[in-house]
Amino acid sequence: GIQVEQSPPDLILQEGANSTLRCNFSDSVNNLQWFHQNPWGQLINLFYIPSGTKQNGRLSATTVATERYSLLYISSSQTTDSGVYFCVLGGAGSYQLTFGKGTKLSVIP
Amino acid sequence: SQTIHQWPATLVQPVGSPLSLECTVEGTSNPNLYWYRQAAGRGLQLLFYSVGIGQISSEVPQNLSASRPQDRQFILSSKKLLLSDSGFYLCAWSAGRTPSYNEQFFGPGTRLTVL
Repeated sequence: GIQVEQSPPDLILQEGANSTLRCNFSDSVNNLQWFHQNPWGQLINLFYIPSGTKQNGRLSATTVATERYSLLYISSSQTTDSGVYFCVLGGAGSYQLTFGKGTKLSVIP
Repeated sequence: SQTIHQWPATLVQPVGSPLSLECTVEGTSNPNLYWYRQAAGRGLQLLFYSVGIGQISSEVPQNLSASRPQDRQFILSSKKLLLSDSGFYLCAWSAGRTPSYNEQFFGPGTRLTVL
């Protein structure tokens, strides 16, 4: 199956700082999503981005499918950005999504 | 717009008791439905998925079962809970017949503690 690696595993930021989260994967994918799991456990869809670049407010993401990586950018971080960020992949013909182990982000005031 | 509901939000059950968790989706038809479990730590494990009424596929052999009695209703059950069934249970849905292509959306989850 698809292997996915997220880095860094943990990240502590001062409020207002910028960060880049990375997701490397081992095979071609049809589906790549970024989720934010907040401290209450809710998984919030950030981006559906199997290729290309998207932006939503302070967040943006880029997937370079040919090089098998995706990046999530968080600018001007806020304490509400704290939580775990997951990169999630789907491969051809499979119902199974592969979750990365996540990046745990802590934004301190 | 589509919404997904789960209940209860939290549940504390004794070992050996039965379990029923419910998930419903609004605003879409013929969704693919999924049950995941997130144990201590970060990873999510796919337990069951369903592409239609009465059609259930199991990904992991376990003490749990799933049913889909209606198009937008997905139920996770157990006849006798084990301590190892504790965890955070998430229901999800996606559209279409090629689920690997399609965006998945998650419900708010049920936090189950088995004592």
